[in-house]
Amino acid sequence: GAVVSQHPSWVICKSGTSVKIECRSLDFQATTMFWYRQFPKQSLMLMATSNEGSKATYEQGVEKDKFLINHASLTLSTLTVTSAHPEDSSFYICSADRGRAVNEQFFGPGTRLTVL
Amino acid sequence: AQTVTQSQPEMSVQEAETVTLSCTYDTSESDYYLFWYKQPPSRQMILVIRQEAYKQQNATENRFSVNFQKAAKSFSLKISDSQLGDAAMYFCAYRSANTGNQFYFGTGTSLTVIP
Repeated sequence: GAVVSQHPSWVICKSGTSVKIECRSLDFQATTMFWYRQFPKQSLMLMATSNEGSKATYEQGVEKDKFLINHASLTLSTLTVTSAHPEDSSFYICSADRGRAVNEQFFGPGTRLTVL
Repeated sequence: AQTVTQSQPEMSVQEAETVTLSCTYDTSESDYYLFWYKQPPSRQMILVIRQEAYKQQNATENRFSVNFQKAAKSFSLKISDSQLGDAAMYFCAYRSANTGNQFYFGTGTSLTVIP
């Protein structure tokens, strides 16, 4: 099956620093990738949709300048949390879409971000 | 945006018994897909089962089956012969067949399996 990886799996940073999270589709090309945020015991909240070679589409209420998304290739999307603050601490999950087929969206294992 | 509602924040089931998780959704579209995902403590999202809205037959995957009621916009998940490994968060999700390809998730149901 299709595999999506995320790196790092867990990151701790100081307030005010920037953190980059990578999402890679390992054995397929992903035209579209999605970034979600999940708080403890809550659902996945879609943050943005990332298309290769174009600007990401952000959901309402998500700060574009805060959460920078770059989809540089068909196998890599990055999420950079700029000037992180404790309220940005969360679990970030990416998923990759390999086409228009019904279930061809595969999830990464997630990245736990803790901002001190 | 479409809304997906899971009215049961927590459920429990005795091992080997059957449990049904509820999901309703709101959409004006006629063509869409519905999914149940499982999220164990590892946090990895795992596809359990999917249903195409144009299909009248309910999807089945081994011990997992759905009751899809399109008119009622209901999509429940039945887990038969529950096993300890079924304990997880379960999310119902909606995806349009025509407009965009993002998933809309419900709030989740935490399932506990009692030995």
